[in-house]
Amino acid sequence: QQQVKQSPQSLIVQKGGISIINCAYENTAFDYFPWYQQFPGKGPALLIAIRPDVSEKKEGRFTISFNKSAKQFSLHIMDSQPGDSATYFCAARGSQGNLIFGKGTKLSVKP
Amino acid sequence: EAGVVQSPRYKIIEKKQPVAFWCNPISGHNTLYWYLQNLGQGPELLIRYENEEAVDDSQLPKDRFSAERLKGVDSTLKIQPAELGDSAVYLCASSWQGNTEAFFGQGTRLTVV
Repeated sequence: QQQVKQSPQSLIVQKGGISIINCAYENTAFDYFPWYQQFPGKGPALLIAIRPDVSEKKEGRFTISFNKSAKQFSLHIMDSQPGDSATYFCAARGSQGNLIFGKGTKLSVKP
Repeated sequence: EAGVVQSPRYKIIEKKQPVAFWCNPISGHNTLYWYLQNLGQGPELLIRYENEEAVDDSQLPKDRFSAERLKGVDSTLKIQPAELGDSAVYLCASSWQGNTEAFFGQGTRLTVV
């Protein structure tokens, strides 16, 4: 009930391509869905977030698509760059206010 | 403005020894979190504080882990005694309130040998 399932585990994309990472959840009480970016040796940093009353949110090259009925949401990175190479985590916030994270996707963008 | 500060960055200890991690949250942030991040995994919540009160410690292994947040600012997470399986990154995060954006520190990488 509390899990957030993330796929793929790893992703290799060519520079300029589109990176797509997917997440699914079960608990309909989740009210906030952020994506975090983590570089090696650093803590996760908030990238973009969405609330369930919105179907899409775009910030620069990063877009979240949210499908409430399917209980799925995804991160799209347009025009992927080598500097985007990092591990990406989706998360969901429960009624207690705690974030539940997916297992992460390691993205490599090849020049 | 300084971010969440954690120390030490790295710690290597022998099993059965005690270890402590320190966290200084962003100034004015009332909510403080300790997360555990195993290699190749997402962070998992250990404990959450609202000011000096631990409001969710359900995932904290209380037989060997303890935490405190005196005066509602800095926090310390302790393990005694450490086990090999405790090797991981311990992340501290803070937010203004529990339902606002959480900012993470760089973490403490613990290796138990």
